[in-house]
Amino acid sequence: AQTVTQSQPEMSVQEAETVTLSCTYDTSENNYYLFWYKQPPSRQMILVIRQEAYKQQNATENRFSVNFQKAAKSFSLKISDSQLGDTAMYFCAFMKPFRSTGNQFYFGTGTSLTVIP
Amino acid sequence: ETGVTQSPTHLIKTRGQQVTLRCSSQSGHNTVSWYQQALGQGPQFIFQYYREEENGRGNFPPRFSGLQFPNYSSELNVNALELDDSALYLCASSNTTGSEAEKLFFGSGTQLSVL
Repeated sequence: AQTVTQSQPEMSVQEAETVTLSCTYDTSENNYYLFWYKQPPSRQMILVIRQEAYKQQNATENRFSVNFQKAAKSFSLKISDSQLGDTAMYFCAFMKPFRSTGNQFYFGTGTSLTVIP
Repeated sequence: ETGVTQSPTHLIKTRGQQVTLRCSSQSGHNTVSWYQQALGQGPQFIFQYYREEENGRGNFPPRFSGLQFPNYSSELNVNALELDDSALYLCASSNTTGSEAEKLFFGSGTQLSVL
């Protein structure tokens, strides 16, 4: 079974500063995907960034980047130049692709990020 | 492009009742998944539907059932409601035959309260 652990229930950062959210996971699989989703008060889960396990290069999406350490099973999210709109719950997720049985996501318990003006 | 829409947004039921939640997939998506998100927790996978058949299920009892229709919309049915079923129910769609088959697009959820 796959497990995803987010050890930081709450974090805060000053506007325009940088913050890093931690995530570790446990799996015996070699081919999988990792994701960070953002859930604002509107409750809709929004994809922030994804990483394919077979790619060594860390994914980057504008102000968001990841530090993917496959051997350590670590997948942290760095948010640069934090903005007030980044305030939300952030979930780390693991997915093992099995087209015949469905793409099941495993989510962590989330980190509540507050950006302080 | 129409996103994932869910109805209703909020629902209150009593223990033992049955409930049906509805979801319209994002345009062009052929797969729909349902997740339960209890308060303070991450979403938990309930099941996934592809071509109107269930093709993956999480650790949920049979009283959780679903349907997918030819237009790729979906229903989640829960029978014999229990207090622990109180949660946010999220629907997500994807295009499993596309180049980004692993991406899930979520709706805003239905908040179910069981009294």
